[in-house]
Amino acid sequence: GAGVSQSPSNKVTEKGKDVELRCDPISGHTALYWYRQSLGQGLEFLIYFQGNSAPDKSGLPSDRFSAERTGGSVSTLTIQRTQQEDSAVYLCASSLAATTLKTQYFGPGTRLLVL
Amino acid sequence: AQKITQTQPGMFVQEKEAVTLDCTYDTSDQSYGLFWYKQPSSGEMIFLIYQGSYDEQNATEGRYSLNFQKARKSANLVISASQLGDSAMYFCAMRGDSGNTPLVFGKGTRLSVIA
Repeated sequence: GAGVSQSPSNKVTEKGKDVELRCDPISGHTALYWYRQSLGQGLEFLIYFQGNSAPDKSGLPSDRFSAERTGGSVSTLTIQRTQQEDSAVYLCASSLAATTLKTQYFGPGTRLLVL
Repeated sequence: AQKITQTQPGMFVQEKEAVTLDCTYDTSDQSYGLFWYKQPSSGEMIFLIYQGSYDEQNATEGRYSLNFQKARKSANLVISASQLGDSAMYFCAMRGDSGNTPLVFGKGTRLSVIA
């Protein structure tokens, strides 16, 4: 497809379980971002990838959160031992390059509910 | 550090009227970009308009225009001829040019268009 895609669109899990969220960026986009949006709030930056450089993990809220980007394309955000406060919409975005002021394009998000 | 402030949690506008959504920002970067995104109830973040800090002209995209006042650090979004489909959350965001930075978002304004 032409846009950013994310899967699953919805995920319900039990407290303490691990979850994996997937993001497919727009083809050719070298920068990929993960954000989290809690209910009624703005977006909170989590982690950012640019090409083959080391990711910027400064926004990750705890060591239970990690992310990978394989082959400079698809990214997986993993949350270990989920807690109820992890419930949020997780949004992925991509852009052509991060060193210029380029627009980020967002996917539809994954709605995570931790029971 | 960058900060975005949106002081209007909710706004109402009559269909076909114009509406201004406020956004002020704070940054120490000399070069930066300002963005507006629309988030309908479906949850997807839709890019609307971009303004670069060195752009002399206010950005316009169809019915959207950005009233950029650099000295006042404001970047208000003006929507002309409001339509029922404009009802959504609107987020102001920015990113600086000092290295690879993610978007910093405001808390958003919920716009409701009334028939």
